[in-house]
Parts: sequence; C-alpha cells; structure tokens
Amino acid sequence: AQKITQTQPGMFVQEKEAVTLDCTYDTSDPSYGLFWYKQPSSGEMIFLIYQGSYDQQNATEGRYSLNFQKARKSANLVISASQLGDSAMYFCAMRDGGNNRLAFGKGNQVVVIP
Amino acid sequence: DVKVTQSSRYLVKRTGEKVFLECVQDMDHENMFWYRQDPGLGLRLIYFSYDVKMKEKGDIPEGYSVSREKKERFSLILESASTNQTSMYLCASSPGEATRTQETQYFGPGTRLLVL
Repeated sequence: AQKITQTQPGMFVQEKEAVTLDCTYDTSDPSYGLFWYKQPSSGEMIFLIYQGSYDQQNATEGRYSLNFQKARKSANLVISASQLGDSAMYFCAMRDGGNNRLAFGKGNQVVVIP
Repeated sequence: DVKVTQSSRYLVKRTGEKVFLECVQDMDHENMFWYRQDPGLGLRLIYFSYDVKMKEKGDIPEGYSVSREKKERFSLILESASTNQTSMYLCASSPGEATRTQETQYFGPGTRLLVL
C-alpha cells in the first residue's frame, strides 16, 4: 500500500508568490518523521525540512514551512515568496519509527515563472 | 558537510553487460541505500545496508545485487543489464540508530544509466 501520496499535477507559480505542495501519508506507527526534498534539474536531492510526529509546532526553515495536520495525516509544504531557483521536483517522504527506510511520494513538479 | 559521491554522472552500457555503480560517503554513516528514479514513479528502494557486509532487499531488488565490503562504500551491481534498467540511480546514506526518526538521508548526485 502506498504510504505517501502526492497527487498534484505540475504547477506554474508566479515569482514572489507562495505555493503549497500537498502530501498525505499513511502509517499506524505513532512515531514517525516526515521529510521534504527538492530535486532540481541537475538531479541531486536536497533535504529541505523535517517534521516529527511528536513535534508540537509546525516546522519552519527559512522560506519553507510545513503545514502538519496530524489528524488528517497531511504534511503540506509551503514555499513563501517563490524564486526562480525554486523550480524543481519536490518529494515528500516518511520514515516510520524503528525503520531506516524512507518511503517517497511520486513528487510534484514546480515551475516558477517571472 | 556530508558528502556522498557516485562514480559516474552518466553511463551508457549495452544489454547483457555487467554494470557496477559505486557510491562513497565520507561521514562514517552506518546506513547506505540505492534507489532508482523513474518519471511518475518517484524513488524506489532497490537495496540498503545497515552495516558492512549486511544488506537487505528493498522494494525492487530483482535484477540487482549489492556489495558493502567497507563502511564508506556501497556498490550496486547489474549482473546482466537490460533496457528496462535504464534509469536514474541515486545513492544515499544516513547515520545509524533506527529509532531516531529525524535523521535524514544524504544523497549523491545520481547516475543516469542508459542501457542500449
């Protein structure tokens, strides 16, 4: 069964606007971690932000924030003030407690236009 | 900074060839992973290793094998390359302690393999 779901089609975003990327997950483990990665066209996967299942507050890292809604099992990434360099594929991933493996979603393509 | 390197960025091989993809990390990480990435399918785990000479199958191990003789190096082997193994291959590493859910994986730059 798919653990991470990213269903949005490719998105065009106007520079300086905010964009929200949806991610829903499925786990029965109370301890888990959620990650977002960015993959530009060059191919490397860049870690952006992490949210733990027991964290009381939503994670933030600069222009990235995570809208964590535990009851809905969603962990949406919000990128504020989009820049041209934000054009990339974005992957949501989850790691269950006691497990070294990450389960990845299929990704969201974002293109920022001037 | 963690550095994960992969032996080639681009590789072209012929059907039936034996292919070695090498991955090296310099942060003394216990865990290492091999993924393949295909459009519309995201990243799929092929194999991972949590210690030297230890390996576990991921979600799509068929047609692949791995080797981890040293802690810093994790090799992916295609015994007899086929055209359906044309893909992007990503290596990653992470520290040990499976109970620490916050430890991210650090990725190499990827190898784009074309099998003709």
